Order: sequence, then structure tokens, then C-alpha cells
Amino acid sequence: AQSVAQPEDQVNVAEGNPLTVKCTYSVSGNPYLFWYVQYPNRGLQFLLKYITGDNLVKGSYGFEAEFNKSQTSFHLKKPSALVSDSALYFCASRRDDKIIFGKGTRLHILP
Amino acid sequence: EAQVTQNPRYLITVTGKKLTVTCSQNMNHEYMSWYRQDPGLGLRQIYYSMNVEVTDKGDVPEGYKVSRKEKRNFPLILESPSPNQTSLYFCASSRGGLANTGELFFGEGSRLTVL
Repeated sequence: AQSVAQPEDQVNVAEGNPLTVKCTYSVSGNPYLFWYVQYPNRGLQFLLKYITGDNLVKGSYGFEAEFNKSQTSFHLKKPSALVSDSALYFCASRRDDKIIFGKGTRLHILP
Repeated sequence: EAQVTQNPRYLITVTGKKLTVTCSQNMNHEYMSWYRQDPGLGLRQIYYSMNVEVTDKGDVPEGYKVSRKEKRNFPLILESPSPNQTSLYFCASSRGGLANTGELFFGEGSRLTVL
């Protein structure tokens, strides 16, 4: 079945350090991949997407993601973490007319 | 302001008492969808709609109904709620058809507790 997987339930990073939140995908054909963020007591917000083209995708709040076809990965990255980046992050893919989400990774940025 | 509005935001009810969670969007989006969020399970799609009068099942449709009589509204109906439907529910919308590249706009969520 086409899906995305987030292997880490939680990631802890010190403020100012680079961060990576991992996502792997399993989709046939050309993947449509996305990252969303959820702050406490809020709905999800779109961060970025990969449809085609450049493997490095830039998004909101200084985040970027690298599409790697050989490793079937779409990791979310940021060069320098902020405490305000602490949130729940979801990787997602499009499957036919549905958007399928991973289970989420909770990111803690330590001051 | 472009938004997806859900009501109620919080609800405690009892088993078997029918309830409706409303969802409305003001962006003229064709595509609308309902998700439930449960700890450790992420978001799972309940139902979605590609346009008015067109609805289809997601991955966990059992116990739910939807309707899409107007483009802006997509209510979620629980005819006979059970405790396993206690969850956080999200409505989302997106431009539909060939333009649907998956950028979803989410409501703020509706936390439902069924006793």
C-alpha cells in the first residue's frame, strides 16, 4: 500500500543546531510529498511540497526538505532550530484523491 | 480571511446520541475532507468530497456519514456515537480536480468525547 513512514516518534535538538525530521515513502509512480506542522491546540499547517523538479524544496519558516528517490526519503530540515519550532510534524503523500499522513514526529527544541 | 471553520470545537456526549460537526470553508474549494487524529495513529481520513454531491470513503468511514449539498459546507454526522469515536476531528479543504496538489487548509479541530 502506498504510504509514508516517520521512524521517530520524537526528536530533541538544541536551539541553534540543525534539525532533521525523517520521512520515507512507499508510493508507485511519481510521488506527491508534503510536510505539515501542528502547533498545540491548532489545526495542521502546510509547510512545503514536492511534486517534481528540484530535489531540494524550500518552504515556510525557513524549513526545507530533500527528496531522495534512491533512498525513498523526504526528510525535513532546518539549518538552525528555534524554540518556536517545537511542534508535531507530519509527512504526507497523495494517493489517488486522498492525502495520507504519517503518524507524526514530535520535535522538541531545547533552549 | 481565508479559513475553514468547524463547530463545535469541544463536545461531550453520550453513546447513541446523534450529533453533527459542521465544517465550512470560504475559499471556494472543490475538495473537502474529514480526518480524525488519535495518539500514535496520526491522522486518518474518514470521508472526502471532490465536489458538490460527490463523496467517497476514506480509510476509516465506519460509523460516520457526510453530505455535500453546498460547495462551502461538509458536515460530519455521527448517527449513533460510540466511545471508540472519541477523538480529535479535523476538516480540511483544497482546490480540487487537476489543480489539487495536496495543499490542504485545516480547521482548528473539534474534540469529541463520547461517554
